[in-house]
Amino acid sequence: SQELEQSPQSLIVQEGKNLTINCTSSKTLYGLYWYKQKYGEGLIFLMMLQKGGEEKSHEKITAKLDEKKQQSSLHITASQPSHAGIYLCGADGDYNQGGKLIFGQGTELSVKP
Amino acid sequence: GAGVSQSPRYKVAKRGQDVALRCDPISGHVSLFWYQQALGQGPEFLTYFQNEAQLDKSGLPSDRFFAERPEGSVSTLKIQRTQQEDSAVYLCASSGGGRDYGYTFGSGTRLTVV
Repeated sequence: SQELEQSPQSLIVQEGKNLTINCTSSKTLYGLYWYKQKYGEGLIFLMMLQKGGEEKSHEKITAKLDEKKQQSSLHITASQPSHAGIYLCGADGDYNQGGKLIFGQGTELSVKP
Repeated sequence: GAGVSQSPRYKVAKRGQDVALRCDPISGHVSLFWYQQALGQGPEFLTYFQNEAQLDKSGLPSDRFFAERPEGSVSTLKIQRTQQEDSAVYLCASSGGGRDYGYTFGSGTRLTVV
């Protein structure tokens, strides 16, 4: 079965600094989703990547999927306290019917003002 | 509705008690998913509906867990004879079918079994 490994597990950065979160899959990714979760709340959809080498940006957050489609990174430029939360990568199951997502364990981000 | 609505937000149950968790998806969304999220972990898949049909229930941890979506809209996750290990956040997500739009998650129900 497919597994997703996120690194680091937690991260503390100073406001204004850049940071990167990685997500590595044990199998080829068909669809890779990035979500953000605030404590006690649901998941907020950030971006979805599907093609090898694909890159998407939204405001100060950029997500990339490598050519081999086994690794994705999420990069935040000039971090702000509003970026704090738990970042989760999720992947379509390997039988891919647009069905269930398999998630990494999450990366907890704290941004010090 | 505007988003996925889950109720209750918090539930405390005594061990052995039955609980029912409700999910009201975005109107018109065909697909509905239930996930279980333990503290400090990512969500884990429980079950999936397409309209009223339960297409995948491979993630349900035991026969104490039961989910239904009788009219293809609102769904209920029922847990019978709750155990302490059932304590978690239960998340519901719905999708209109297009993968590019992701899955919209509700705020979850935090279940604590004492």
